[in-house]
Amino acid sequence: GAGVSQSPRYKVAKRGQDVALRCDPISGHVSLFWYQQALGQGPEFLTYFQNEAQLDKSGLPSDRFFAERPEGSVSTLKIQRTQQEDSAVYLCASSQQGAGSGANVLTFGAGSRLTVL
Amino acid sequence: AQTVTQSQPEMSVQEAETVTLSCTYDTSENNYYLFWYKQPPSRQMILVIRQEAYKQQNATENRFSVNFQKAAKSFSLKISDSQLGDTAMYFCAFMKQAPNSGYALNFGKGTSLLVTP
Repeated sequence: GAGVSQSPRYKVAKRGQDVALRCDPISGHVSLFWYQQALGQGPEFLTYFQNEAQLDKSGLPSDRFFAERPEGSVSTLKIQRTQQEDSAVYLCASSQQGAGSGANVLTFGAGSRLTVL
Repeated sequence: AQTVTQSQPEMSVQEAETVTLSCTYDTSENNYYLFWYKQPPSRQMILVIRQEAYKQQNATENRFSVNFQKAAKSFSLKISDSQLGDTAMYFCAFMKQAPNSGYALNFGKGTSLLVTP
């Protein structure tokens, strides 16, 4: 597609529910990133994929967070047993280049706003 | 770990005037990239400008330019001839360059810029 597409744009979950957030990167982009942006803060890195390989998941805040990109295109970020502190905007970004290939210019999606009640 | 500091939470400028947003960073790396991203209320992060640390010449993109001071670890953004559409959150970001890394952007907390008529 023309840009990075994320769905749903808005998600309200009750505490304890599982949620899944989807990211459709730009076709052919090698790199895919997930970021978490709390209200009034800058985005915080969660995880990185190069094609289907998850090269870095150091930013995932707990084992309740899980991300996958099984075929190297669409990615899903799953949050199990959601907590109120998980409320944030989750941004997905993709890049044509792989890691270490130079100035990796990221194209961001509009984000998924998760509210946990 | 790299840290990015934006010391101005909010700024205001009149239309057609010039404004400078400040950013400092802390790193032990010698090769890296610096970026300014804009995030309008629609939430989509848009790349404004980027700078390679090995380049001494300051980057320029139309009305946007940077003042990159490597020794001082400073990377300020100057917006000339401000327009109402420049109203947004502005994030400074750092990316290191290294084999098998250089893919995670570290963001500052952002500066909210309001352009007034």
